Amino acid sequence: KAGVTQTPRYLIKTRGQQVTLSCSPISGHRSVSWYQQTPGQGLQFLFEYFSETQRNKGNFPGRFSGRQFSNSRSEMNVSTLELGDSALYLCASLEGGAGISEAFFGQGTRLTVV
Amino acid sequence: SQQGEEDPQALSIQEGENATMNCSYKTSINNLQWYRQNSGRGLVHLILIRSNEREKHSGRLRVTLDTSKKSSSLLITASRAADTASYFCAPVNQGGKLIFGQGTELSVKP
Repeated sequence: KAGVTQTPRYLIKTRGQQVTLSCSPISGHRSVSWYQQTPGQGLQFLFEYFSETQRNKGNFPGRFSGRQFSNSRSEMNVSTLELGDSALYLCASLEGGAGISEAFFGQGTRLTVV
Repeated sequence: SQQGEEDPQALSIQEGENATMNCSYKTSINNLQWYRQNSGRGLVHLILIRSNEREKHSGRLRVTLDTSKKSSSLLITASRAADTASYFCAPVNQGGKLIFGQGTELSVKP
């Protein structure tokens, strides 16, 4: 089985721009969760999508949004980028929900906002 | 949903020694999971222990779960330099989010 694929791996954006990150889960997995990791705040949960529906959401402003397509691929979008959005963004693929299965993580997208 | 609190925050040991990391949580769980993260990379799943299990082994890893104390521990025996990483626990409710704490940063010196 192919693993979780996140693209791009690295990204540099300017403050005020928007960015879209992509995550392709493991084939057959229907749940995708997104996380932001920074040295100061650690690993923070953004949201989870299951069968194209947002099932859980973390405490992030509305500038952070996501969606999931019928093939389970997911995208997250950050609008009006701020310097503090510089982080490693990780996506996790699960067969079911977190309550019943383990998560498989991608290598992440390293976003730098300048 | 809840996050686990790992303890200690940092641990430095010599190769060959055992490393023990602890995790505490606040409410009832369906399962508790441990993950490892090498610097700047994605997390790797280590072990999932269900609420009705008390101990689980995987190679050099041993995880215990005490639901009465709402705590879990991860023991790595005969540590190697390659075990240097951050370790996270995630207590999970049925259908809940996978929430991580700050992790334990383990350094194994050759």
